[in-house]
Amino acid sequence: DGGITQSPKYLFRKEGQNVTLSCEQNLNHDAMYWYRQDPGQGLRLIYYSQIVNDFQKGDIAEGYSVSREKKESFPLTVTSAQKNPTAFYLCASRRGGGLTNYGYTFGSGTRLTVV
Amino acid sequence: GESVGLHLPTLSVQEGDNSIINCAYSNSASDYFIWYKQESGKGPQFIIDIRSNMDKRQGQRVTVLLNKTVKHLSLQIAATQPGDSAVYFCAEINDYKLSFGAGTTVTVRA
Repeated sequence: DGGITQSPKYLFRKEGQNVTLSCEQNLNHDAMYWYRQDPGQGLRLIYYSQIVNDFQKGDIAEGYSVSREKKESFPLTVTSAQKNPTAFYLCASRRGGGLTNYGYTFGSGTRLTVV
Repeated sequence: GESVGLHLPTLSVQEGDNSIINCAYSNSASDYFIWYKQESGKGPQFIIDIRSNMDKRQGQRVTVLLNKTVKHLSLQIAATQPGDSAVYFCAEINDYKLSFGAGTTVTVRA
C-alpha cells in the first residue's frame, strides 16, 4: 500500500540536543511538508519542498532544518535553537501538477517531548 | 494577517442528528478549501474539498457549503455516528500551501 511513514511515533529529547524526525513516502509525490501541532490548535507550516534538492521556510521555521536529497524522503531536524519543541509533528505530501492536483496525504505523526 | 478560523471550539451532537461545523476565512485570494477529520494521535484525514467557483459539494453523508460573499465555509454531517467524534479542521490553499484553522472538537452523545 502507498502512504507516508513517520518515525518514530514517540520521541523524547533532552534539552540542548538535536533530534531528527523521519518522513518517507512511496506515493511518488513531488511536494512534501512539515507541520507542527500544539494542543487545541491547528497545524502550522514549518518547511516545505516542492521538488528534490529544494525547500522553503514556512511560517515557523526558526529552530528547524530540513533536507530533500531524495524524492521519497524529507527528514526534519529539531535543533537546540528551538525553544519550545514539545509538540505533535505531522508530515504531508502532495502530488504535483498544478491547481488540479492538491491530493494531500498526511502521515500519522511523531509526538516529540523534551525531558 | 489573514487566516482561517472556526466559529466554535466544541460541538456536542446527539447520535443520529445532523452536525454543522462552521469556518470563517479572510483570505479572498484562496481558491480551494478542504475539510479534514483528525482523531486523537493520528494525522488529518481528507473529508471533502471545494473550489472557490463552487457553492456546494456533496459526498457520502457530508456536504460542504461555501459562501464567498461572507467568506464562510461549513461542513454538514448527516445522521452523525459515534465514529464521527473527532476534531474537524477547515483549511484553505493559497500558493500550494495549506493554512489551517484551530479546529472544532465534535463529540457524539449516545
